Amino acid sequence: DAGVIQSPRHEVTEMGQEVTLRCKPISGHNSLFWYRQTMMRGLELLIYFNNNVPIDDSGMPEDRFSAKMPNASFSTLKIQPSEPRDSAVYFCASSPAGYEQYFGPGTRLTVT
Amino acid sequence: GQQLNQSPQSMFIQEGEDVSMNCTSSSIFNTWLWYKQDPGEGPVLLIALYKAGELTSNGRLTAQFGITRKDSFLNISASIPSDVGIYFCAALGAGSYQLTFGKGTKLSVIP
Repeated sequence: DAGVIQSPRHEVTEMGQEVTLRCKPISGHNSLFWYRQTMMRGLELLIYFNNNVPIDDSGMPEDRFSAKMPNASFSTLKIQPSEPRDSAVYFCASSPAGYEQYFGPGTRLTVT
Repeated sequence: GQQLNQSPQSMFIQEGEDVSMNCTSSSIFNTWLWYKQDPGEGPVLLIALYKAGELTSNGRLTAQFGITRKDSFLNISASIPSDVGIYFCAALGAGSYQLTFGKGTKLSVIP
């Protein structure tokens, strides 16, 4: 079975550019999470969707960040405009019932 | 806020040795999870624990959900080089969806 799929795996962009990260959760999972991982802060929850509906976006750092889940098999995390401090690894995770979370391979974002 | 204290922070062991790491908290949790993260990859779920006192194995890995619901440990028996990585504990409170993570234990295995 395919796990969580994320694209791109690596993204290098210049400050001020728009960045879109993509995620395909595991089929049948009804919860989806976006995380950011840095050395300083570890794994931070950005936003949580349940049945495609955003339930908790309190972790989204600023209005520059937005996330959508138009259907059960696709989600995006957008940063516009990007800043160097947004450089991190962004993970998408999905869960069948809100307990175990299965992580994707991550997108390593570098903003110069 | 809730925190998980994971120890040790790092460890170097000889191949073939057993490994033990643990997580403690001042808060009660209903679910404990153990993940392993390799460089450049996402965390991979190793073991999930749902009941206080539960002892669960996955191959050479064994984890226990502490009876007080405030701690958990992970043991790895007969370590091999591919066990190298960072191991994270994570926990969920009652009715919560938000995982609380430990800071990780970095394991190095000397062949």
